[in-house]
Amino acid sequence: GQQVMQIPQYQHVQEGEDFTTYCNSSTTLSNIQWYKQRPGGHPVFLIQLVKSGEVKKQKRLTFQFGEAKKNSSLHITATQTTDVGTYFCAELIVGANNLFFGTGTRLTVIP
Amino acid sequence: DAGVIQSPRHEVTEMGQEVTLRCKPISGHNSLFWYRQTMMRGLELLIYFNNNVPIDDSGMPEDRFSAKMPNASFSTLKIQPSEPRDSAVYFCASSLQLGGEAFFGQGTRLTVV
Repeated sequence: GQQVMQIPQYQHVQEGEDFTTYCNSSTTLSNIQWYKQRPGGHPVFLIQLVKSGEVKKQKRLTFQFGEAKKNSSLHITATQTTDVGTYFCAELIVGANNLFFGTGTRLTVIP
Repeated sequence: DAGVIQSPRHEVTEMGQEVTLRCKPISGHNSLFWYRQTMMRGLELLIYFNNNVPIDDSGMPEDRFSAKMPNASFSTLKIQPSEPRDSAVYFCASSLQLGGEAFFGQGTRLTVV
């Protein structure tokens, strides 16, 4: 199946530090979605990016879609303990019908 | 809306037993997905349906796994016979249409001993 590379796999930050996770695809994407899964919980939709070069913000979270629509990033400014969890990108490849989830980045925030 | 409802939340069974996981998607959603999550393999898509029809089951690990969607409001994932390596969290998700925002259920944590 489709391999969705997401880096880093783990990230430990001090509360207040910034955090970024990256998602890379070998193929052009129709859209990319980001999800957050709290420990013991289920993935919850955060946002969808569709346009080349698109940037969207949700409070301290900034999502970016690459110009070639092959990569994406999620940046969190000034992390808080409530940001703890695993962040997944999910890719919809051109011509496909289903989402392929990345391996996820597990974020730990040290108070 | 109650969201996607899965049952049971937890299941512990002995190797060789049949296991049935159940899912009720959000009303009006046309697409339903079954995922399996483990530490080793992450979130894997097992099978998905559109308008109650299985579209792609290439993610189903082997013939011991089967899934049905007899109507728009119910789906099952069955494992027969179960094996210890099937232990994982199984998620059901639904979306309005293929490729759209996926709404996940709380998951079923399966332990096969």
